[in-house]
Amino acid sequence: GAVVSQHPSRVICKSGTSVKIECRSLDFQATTMFWYRQFPKQSLMLMATSNEGSKATYEQGVEKDKFLINHASLTLSTLTVTSAHPEDSSFYICSAVQLGVTNEKLFFGSGTQLSVL
Amino acid sequence: DAKTTQPPSMDCAEGRAANLPCNHSTISGNEYVYWYRQIHSQGPQYIIHGLKNNETNEMASLIITEDRKSSTLILPHATLRDTAVYYCIVRVRSAAGNKLTFGGGTRVLVKP
Repeated sequence: GAVVSQHPSRVICKSGTSVKIECRSLDFQATTMFWYRQFPKQSLMLMATSNEGSKATYEQGVEKDKFLINHASLTLSTLTVTSAHPEDSSFYICSAVQLGVTNEKLFFGSGTQLSVL
Repeated sequence: DAKTTQPPSMDCAEGRAANLPCNHSTISGNEYVYWYRQIHSQGPQYIIHGLKNNETNEMASLIITEDRKSSTLILPHATLRDTAVYYCIVRVRSAAGNKLTFGGGTRVLVKP
């Protein structure tokens, strides 16, 4: 089946620094990717919808200047957590939709555990 | 998307069938029932989906009631590797509406 690669799997950074997370569709083109955040023992919360070549659509309550999303190609979307603080520590997961197909199976990356000290 | 209700947790004996219920009483006619699972510290994994008819694949079976207000995911022979959080989601199947809204899920623990 289709594969979504997410990198890095784990990152530890100092407060105030920025962290970039990459999400790649390895064997298909993805016009749309989604970014989720998950706190311990909680469900996944959708942060934003990333469309190739256009601005991302953010869910209510998610700061677009804090969480910068770039979807410059059909196989890559990036999430940058700017000026990270300890409260941004979380598990971030991306998912991708296959181009041109009414695809009922969203493919998910393996997630990135962000720890901000 | 319609809201779903699942029990927060359940235990299952290894080798036995695991039956995971899901209520979706406000589901509309064009909404599908999807099941995903998430093993600890990993991304969600697709299991199965259906509209009206019962479905079966290599992972599981999905039983949907005639009124479509509830469904049951069946893992026929649970293994320790099936320990995960299982999410039942209902959504319209369309290219534009592919985002998934996750509820609380059911935390399944398979015991030896």
